[in-house]
Amino acid sequence: NAGVTQTPKFRVLKTGQSMTLLCAQDMNHEYMYWYRQDPGMGLRLIHYSVGEGTTAKGEVPDGYNVSRLKKQNFLLGLESAAPSQTSVYFCASNRGRVYGYTFGSGTRLTVV
Amino acid sequence: AQTVTQSQPEMSVQEAETVTLSCTYDTSESDYYLFWYKQPPSRQMILVIRQEAYKQQNATENRFSVNFQKAAKSFSLKISDSQLGDAAMYFCAYGLIQGAQKLVFGQGTRLTINP
Repeated sequence: NAGVTQTPKFRVLKTGQSMTLLCAQDMNHEYMYWYRQDPGMGLRLIHYSVGEGTTAKGEVPDGYNVSRLKKQNFLLGLESAAPSQTSVYFCASNRGRVYGYTFGSGTRLTVV
Repeated sequence: AQTVTQSQPEMSVQEAETVTLSCTYDTSESDYYLFWYKQPPSRQMILVIRQEAYKQQNATENRFSVNFQKAAKSFSLKISDSQLGDAAMYFCAYGLIQGAQKLVFGQGTRLTINP
């Protein structure tokens, strides 16, 4: 099925550990995004990409890095996890022009 | 910076009744989109309805309609004939037409349907 796939769906990390969240889309979309969702704060943009090899900071980029080496993949990295990064992370892709957003199913990350 | 505000953290409605969710936004831009997304317990983000700012006519999708007041920067969602399956978190979102089309979301409103 066409769409956005996020891996993993759940993860528990210890403070200071690192990990990478993978987002893959098979719709040939140019734009991709990482959002985090926290109670009472909606979804906030962490980083985004407007094409292969490009990345840019969003509203809450501190503590995260991203890479888009291939058009279909957008990776979100946490180098040294902190409890404040406990959240649900959503990846999305967008065909552009008329706002064709497709969201992944989310990753619930807990940092203890 | 653009902001989106949903002032109702929680709302409830009787099944088959009508409910309106409120959303206000702040922007100095003229060309943008507004959206309502539904997030059921499955966590999936589902587009409910969208409105282009240049269109004066309010968008409608079956039982869902919006009241778009551009001058007041208000974008409310009306759900008619509420059904148990409408129970979810609802997010209002704003995005510019140009550029990277980043979305700015409101805080969300949790809607409960009472049978």
